[in-house]
Amino acid sequence: EDQVTQSPEALRLQEGESSSLNCSYTVSGLRGLFWYRQDPGKGPEFLFTLYSAGEEKEKERLKATLTKKESFLHITAPKPEDSATYLCAVQAGGGYNKLIFGAGTRLAVHP
Amino acid sequence: GAGVSQSPSNKVTEKGKDVELRCDPISGHTALYWYRQSLGQGLEFLIYFQGNSAPDKSGLPSDRFSAERTGGSVSTLTIQRTQQEDSAVYLCASSRVGRGNSPLHFGNGTRLTVT
Repeated sequence: EDQVTQSPEALRLQEGESSSLNCSYTVSGLRGLFWYRQDPGKGPEFLFTLYSAGEEKEKERLKATLTKKESFLHITAPKPEDSATYLCAVQAGGGYNKLIFGAGTRLAVHP
Repeated sequence: GAGVSQSPSNKVTEKGKDVELRCDPISGHTALYWYRQSLGQGLEFLIYFQGNSAPDKSGLPSDRFSAERTGGSVSTLTIQRTQQEDSAVYLCASSRVGRGNSPLHFGNGTRLTVT
C-alpha cells in the first residue's frame, strides 16, 4: 500500500537555527514527490516537485532533496515567517495526478 | 490570476442535514480534486474529475457523499444526512492536466462543522 510518513510531527526552532524535515515514502512507481506549505486557515501552497533520486530544488531558505526512500526539506537560517505546516505528497503510478499526502510537520520559528 | 475558489468558507449544520460545498477551479484547469483534512491528519483523497472521463470516486467514504462537475468547470460536493464524523475541512484543487506531474493548486477550503 502506498504510504507517506513525515517526521517530526512538530518542530520548534529559534530564528536562524537550520534544520531538516523528513518525508519517508513507500509507493509503487514514484512519478513525483511534492512539497507544500500550509498556513492556518489556508489551502496548501505548492513549493517543489522532485522526480528522481539525487534531484534537488531550492527556493529562498528552502531546499528539497530526494532519495529512493525519502525526501528532506532543509530550512537554512529560518525566519518567523517560515512558520507553517509543511506537507509532503507522492504521486504513484496509475496514469493520473492523484497525490497521497503525509500528515505534515508543524514548524514554529521563534525570534 | 484568480485561484481556486471555494464556498462557503465555513458551514455549520445539524446532524442529519444535507450540505453542498462548491468549488470553482482555475480557468483552463481540466483536472479537479476533492480532499478532506481532519484535525491533525493528512489530506484524504475523495474524488477526481478529468475532462469528460468518468470520475474516480474511489476515495468517497460512504454513499452519503457524492460530487458532480458541470460543464467541465464548477464542482459541487454533496454530503447527505451529515454525521459528526464528517466534520473536517474540505479542500478542492485543480491542475492543468490530469496526467503527468502538474502540481495541484488548492483553494482555502470549506470548514464543515456538524453539531
